[in-house]
Amino acid sequence: GENVEQHPSTLSVQEGDSAVIKCTYSDSASNYFPWYKQELGKRPQLIIDIRSNVGEKKDQRIAVTLNKTAKHFSLHITETQPEDSAVYFCASSGGYQKVTFGTGTKLQVIP
Amino acid sequence: NAGVMQNPRHLVRRRGQEARLRCSPMKGHSHVYWYRQLPEEGLKFMVYLQKENIIDESGMPKERFSAEFPKEGPSILRIQQVVRGDSAAYFCASAPGTGGNQPQHFGDGTRLSIL
Repeated sequence: GENVEQHPSTLSVQEGDSAVIKCTYSDSASNYFPWYKQELGKRPQLIIDIRSNVGEKKDQRIAVTLNKTAKHFSLHITETQPEDSAVYFCASSGGYQKVTFGTGTKLQVIP
Repeated sequence: NAGVMQNPRHLVRRRGQEARLRCSPMKGHSHVYWYRQLPEEGLKFMVYLQKENIIDESGMPKERFSAEFPKEGPSILRIQQVVRGDSAAYFCASAPGTGGNQPQHFGDGTRLSIL
């Protein structure tokens, strides 16, 4: 089955700096890659997603890149703010929508 | 448009009792997924259901756990004879049944505590 690895497990950045979280996946049939943000004690919330026919997608301060050849995808957050502090999960999905999640990155933005 | 509704939010059971967790998907969604999350850990897939069908239960323990999504009413995750190790947050997510990969939307979860 699919295996998703996510790095780093923890990340601390100064407010205003950028944060990058990287994931790799194993199943070449995966074609949908969502990213979720989970604040403490709350539900995971979809923040951005990308499909395999696109190499990059941006939404304000958040961008995601996908390299299908290398089976890598990354989340980029620019101009980080304290409210960006949370756990971020990458995920990948194949044809029938079973989603495999990464192990999460705990992001701390230091004011 | 109401989101994914899970109840109860918190559930306390003693060892050996049964736990029933409910999930009502978003309006128009016919695919339901259950995940389990331990503190400080990621989301582990348990089961994927469509109305009246279990599509993939590969992440669900064979013993004591069962899931259903009847034609009418919410999806139910049932844990029989609970043990301490069942303590976790259980999240439900739903997606539209339009085919292809669509975003999953999560409920607020049920925090299950076993005494």
